[in-house]
Amino acid sequence: DVKVTQSSRYLVKRTGEKVFLECVQDMDHENMFWYRQDPGLGLRLIYFSYDVKMKEKGDIPEGYSVSREKKERFSLILESASTNQTSMYLCASSPLLAGGQETQYFGPGTRLLVL
Amino acid sequence: DQQVKQNSPSLSVQEGRISILNCDYTNSMFDYFLWYKKYPAEGPTFLISISSIKDKNEDGRFTVFLNKSAKHLSLHIVPSQPGDSAVYFCAADSIGGSNYKLTFGKGTLLTVNP
Repeated sequence: DVKVTQSSRYLVKRTGEKVFLECVQDMDHENMFWYRQDPGLGLRLIYFSYDVKMKEKGDIPEGYSVSREKKERFSLILESASTNQTSMYLCASSPLLAGGQETQYFGPGTRLLVL
Repeated sequence: DQQVKQNSPSLSVQEGRISILNCDYTNSMFDYFLWYKKYPAEGPTFLISISSIKDKNEDGRFTVFLNKSAKHLSLHIVPSQPGDSAVYFCAADSIGGSNYKLTFGKGTLLTVNP
């Protein structure tokens, strides 16, 4: 079974704090992703990485950065947390398949509240 | 511009009946489609997928139908159970390119009443 773990299930931070969300997968997947989920907006891609030290912006990268120093670990960084970053953050991973059609596997999510 | 649309934000059905969740897409390059189920405070769980070379895929109580000409897919759950109550997301993947990412719909909240 694919396992994707996230460092925290719930997190409360203050406006302006730097926030680190960690994600680890144990299936040697090449691709890793960070999404946020908000009511009525579905899943929105923040950043993704298809290899170590490689990253690409998703649909809503503003206010976020990422780090992928090791294949199994993908970190999301909120440089200066703001209240509009209160959300459910979801990490996912998928293998790199020659023909595409990769299934993404998600972690349990981190519910972040920024006060 | 939303390329994957789930036009029903919510759906309510009786236990034992059929649940039909719908999804429309606009990008003709999409060739692989997935359904995910999500409970509150948990991550989405992969449910079932279908490749564009097929028009139907079945897994137990779950069947996905794909109508390429209409750019429409649907997820049928028969019979529906209260434990199926969750948000269901439709997602699509496109052929080739450098696009490793899935495009998700906004989700449909399914409530199965006992």
